[in-house]
Amino acid sequence: EAAVTQSPRSKVAVTGGKVTLSCHQTNNHDYMYWYRQDTGHGLRLIHYSYVADSTEKGDIPDGYKASRPSQENFSLILELASLSQTAVYFCASSDAWGGNQDTQYFGPGTRLLVL
Amino acid sequence: GQGVEQPAKLMSVEGTFARVNCTYSTSGFNGLSWYQQREGQAPVFLSYVVLDGLKDSGHFSTFLSRSNGYSYLLLTELQIKDSASYLCAVRDSNYQLIWGSGTKLIIKP
Repeated sequence: EAAVTQSPRSKVAVTGGKVTLSCHQTNNHDYMYWYRQDTGHGLRLIHYSYVADSTEKGDIPDGYKASRPSQENFSLILELASLSQTAVYFCASSDAWGGNQDTQYFGPGTRLLVL
Repeated sequence: GQGVEQPAKLMSVEGTFARVNCTYSTSGFNGLSWYQQREGQAPVFLSYVVLDGLKDSGHFSTFLSRSNGYSYLLLTELQIKDSASYLCAVRDSNYQLIWGSGTKLIIKP
């Protein structure tokens, strides 16, 4: 069974609308991450969390909010979606920050198209 | 500034080998990871190295030279299903993970 799941798997949103992407993990991991990937580019970290009810800014947090209501769930919120936020979004979890336990387990991704 | 560089594309032939290169320039070093990402799918962890030298994991081997800021992923006895993008990611001294853009490996019969 997939240990990291995301919903929805794809979404079409209108500019200025609100979008919520959800992630659920059954790995019992403390760390969870939200990345975006643009065609032909690497992964860029938006937000991450190492404990429930707390989130941290990543490298590109502007225009995004995150919520970690429990160890298993991590959401990414786009309050006012913009064209530039069209991308594939990946959620990931890991057991630790750094070191050999730093392996990140990714969800299947959400394709977001903002029109 | 900090960066992880990978060639965009690499072509090889089924049954032979491919070496995917990664060079990095970061403030400090706390390990390097390789991930495989097939088209339309999520990245999957392959290997983690933190010490210099060659780490043999069978079909995949990983080399690291910290003094040169260089790593490669070696795939032997290539199969068509090895066609994918290979991502390199480096942890810097602040444990920030810096990702390369990935190398798309194309394998011809």
